[in-house]
Amino acid sequence: ETGVTQSPTHLIKTRGQQVTLRCSSQSGHNTVSWYQQALGQGPQFIFQYYREEENGRGNFPPRFSGLQFPNYSSELNVNALELDDSALYLCASSLEGGVRSPLHFGNGTRLTVT
Amino acid sequence: GESVGLHLPTLSVQEGDNSIINCAYSNSASDYFIWYKQESGKGPQFIIDIRSNMDKRQGQRVTVLLNKTVKHLSLQIAATQPGDSAVYFCAENRGHDMRFGAGTRLTVKP
Repeated sequence: ETGVTQSPTHLIKTRGQQVTLRCSSQSGHNTVSWYQQALGQGPQFIFQYYREEENGRGNFPPRFSGLQFPNYSSELNVNALELDDSALYLCASSLEGGVRSPLHFGNGTRLTVT
Repeated sequence: GESVGLHLPTLSVQEGDNSIINCAYSNSASDYFIWYKQESGKGPQFIIDIRSNMDKRQGQRVTVLLNKTVKHLSLQIAATQPGDSAVYFCAENRGHDMRFGAGTRLTVKP
């Protein structure tokens, strides 16, 4: 069974730039969620994709956007990067919309905005 | 607002002792809870979950207790080992997302 994989592992960007983070879900999982984890805090929900449609969104501005592909892999795009976007970005996959089923996380992408 | 929180930010225990990590939640409508373990440089790892129609659930060396009356969740780790050192998060379901607390750092002393 292949777990959740994310790329890249680390990334350094300049304020105002755009970034794309990628995620391959665990085999058999059709739902992908993205979380932002600031240093010393718990993960915060960005959004979820189920069957290639956004299925829920947290309190993040529209410059955070995503995609899910037919093979259930996913991308997180962040435009107009701000210094506060520096964080660990976590992707998690789950079954059938993710309601009352465990999230399985990748090891994240560490984004630094300078 | 409603939130998931933890009573203690840090916990230090002796190797071999039992550990108890606590969590308070305030959304009485939450019906599913998960405990995660996060080691340095890694993503959160699923430990155990519990639905609101249960009071207790056991796994390998871990037990989760749910007290809906006082909206309290706890994770008990038996015979704590050095490999258990990590940050532990409780999370509650909020529709399509899980709401995480800030975490408790567990340190196991040899």
